[in-house]
Amino acid sequence: DQQVKQNSPSLSVQEGRISILNCDYTNSMFDYFLWYKKYPAEGPTFLISISSIKDKNEDGRFTVFLNKSAKHLSLHIVPSQPGDSAVYFCAASRYRGQNFVFGPGTRLSVLP
Amino acid sequence: SQTIHQWPATLVQPVGSPLSLECTVEGTSNPNLYWYRQAAGRGLQLLFYSVGIGQISSEVPQNLSASRPQDRQFILSSKKLLLSDSGFYLCAWSPAGGNEQFFGPGTRLTVL
Repeated sequence: DQQVKQNSPSLSVQEGRISILNCDYTNSMFDYFLWYKKYPAEGPTFLISISSIKDKNEDGRFTVFLNKSAKHLSLHIVPSQPGDSAVYFCAASRYRGQNFVFGPGTRLSVLP
Repeated sequence: SQTIHQWPATLVQPVGSPLSLECTVEGTSNPNLYWYRQAAGRGLQLLFYSVGIGQISSEVPQNLSASRPQDRQFILSSKKLLLSDSGFYLCAWSPAGGNEQFFGPGTRLTVL
């Protein structure tokens, strides 16, 4: 049973436009969420996080939105750049310092 | 600053042969350590995690084992590789009690 889902395996966006990556989770005990970005043949790198006490967290071009009632979070990238092309993983944990459950990832392609 | 090393970067092994992948972390003490596998077209699957020397927790039953002989060293092993062990293996660390996980560069394992 997949506790963290990223239902879009891939997404293509024009450079300069907004990229929206979605993530859904089933475990209502999750209260901390992260987004990671991964290039081929490299380890994932941390992008942005959000805890369940917030519904939005912003860092430069990256914003994460959390809708606890819908068990849904999304990552917005504005404006999208070709260097953003990568696989994006959503991850969730029950509480601080505990193990994360990762989603299957969404491959983002930003077209010039 | 902290760094995490993994080796080898790539490995091709025959079915039935042993495996040893090594991960070391520098610049921190008493980290939590993790082994993940990313199979082709799939997300990150947590295999093992460790909160201290000699303390290993297994997340999924499998053909692999892990050991932590030193505080900042984490080893993934197998006595006999299976074809299904092929994948991209990632080591990660997090501060004890912390949330963010920092990933190594990964090892691409191909079992023939």
